[in-house]
Amino acid sequence: QVHLQESGPGLVKPSQTLSLTCTVSGGSISSDSDYWSWFRQPAGTGLEWIGHIYTSGSTNYNPSLKSRVAISVDSSKNQFSLRLNSVTAADTAIYYCAKKFFYWGPGTLVTVSS
Amino acid sequence: QTVVTQEPSLTVSPGGTVTLTCASSTGAVTSGYFPNWFQQKPGQAPRALIYNTNNKHSWIPARFAGSLLGGKAALTLSGVQPEDEADYYCFLYYGGTWVFGGGTKLTV
Repeated sequence: QVHLQESGPGLVKPSQTLSLTCTVSGGSISSDSDYWSWFRQPAGTGLEWIGHIYTSGSTNYNPSLKSRVAISVDSSKNQFSLRLNSVTAADTAIYYCAKKFFYWGPGTLVTVSS
Repeated sequence: QTVVTQEPSLTVSPGGTVTLTCASSTGAVTSGYFPNWFQQKPGQAPRALIYNTNNKHSWIPARFAGSLLGGKAALTLSGVQPEDEADYYCFLYYGGTWVFGGGTKLTV
């Protein structure tokens, strides 16, 4: 059974870059046909898809975030990462990583504040 | 701006049956939208229930079923249990991007 765990700073200053890592255990991140996703959820509101990356390296991003977001994979560490630049308070949320849309990490809260 | 609409809230009695729906602002939802459904309980990460309209993950009880109904994606819970009280989200594909519905709060 695959397990995912998000990690990264819980506090980011406005205008800076949010960087999170998702560590995958119980399976290889390089498996064919898999893709690796990021989602977020502001407090008390619904879910938002951020984007995902295929094992081939191709990506799909939410158009509303596309100009600020990048997802990458580090196969040597069995991890994938999220970078979101020029953050504002509106980016404060619980961030989740997932394998496809099926297996989710527990989430990590990121607060954007000075 | 694509909008995916779900009932904000529904109430069902234990043992009853309830259907949650998911509509698209672009028109009828078809299998080409690859509807997914998720369940989320307070303080927990979402849990995948249904993918590609009606495919159920192995860990999901038989009382959950996905379908297309009247131009919408639908999630039917039969023989509802108290532990089914949660928020439910649908998730639709729009040619390279994905959009969540606003969620349905199910009260049992």
